[in-house]
Amino acid sequence: QQQVKQSPQSLIVQKGGISIINCAYENTAFDYFPWYQQFPGKGPALLIAIRPDVSEKKEGRFTISFNKSAKQFSLHIMDSQPGDSATYFCAASRGTSGSRLTFGEGTQLTVNP
Amino acid sequence: DGGITQSPKYLFRKEGQNVTLSCEQNLNHDAMYWYRQDPGQGLRLIYYSQIVNDFQKGDIAEGYSVSREKKESFPLTVTSAQKNPTAFYLCASRVAGAETQYFGPGTRLLVL
Repeated sequence: QQQVKQSPQSLIVQKGGISIINCAYENTAFDYFPWYQQFPGKGPALLIAIRPDVSEKKEGRFTISFNKSAKQFSLHIMDSQPGDSATYFCAASRGTSGSRLTFGEGTQLTVNP
Repeated sequence: DGGITQSPKYLFRKEGQNVTLSCEQNLNHDAMYWYRQDPGQGLRLIYYSQIVNDFQKGDIAEGYSVSREKKESFPLTVTSAQKNPTAFYLCASRVAGAETQYFGPGTRLLVL
């Protein structure tokens, strides 16, 4: 009930391409879905987040698409750049649980020049 | 500079030894969290605290202990009961009423 499944485990795209990372959750009580970006040896940093009352949120080159009925959400990185090469984690939480985040397994993105 | 500091960056533990990881924040955040990260896995919650002098177990609390005597500090002790302590440990904090958790730079614990 608390799991968040993330795919793919690794992703290689060419500069300028679109990177797509998918996540699926089980617990319908989740009401907050953030994406974090992590560079090697550093702590994760919040990239973008969405709540289930909207189906899409865009910030610059980063877009979250949310499908409540399918219990899935995805991160789209448009015009991918070598500087986007990092590990990306999706997560989910519900406000009544002290905002405990349940993380996906992570996706290692490599953007080739 | 406001933020979350974790020290040390690297920590070495000998067999049977307890070690304490430091986490300090000057963001005036109410809630603090400890996560463990292993290669190829997502972050897993060890302990969290929503207010001073109160904390709850996360998903993998066995072999760990915490205290929250001050709002800005949430140290994690890895006890000798934790048989596989080698990991990257991340501290996070959050202001009451908001969902976003902000992470520190992490401490890498290695066993000698």
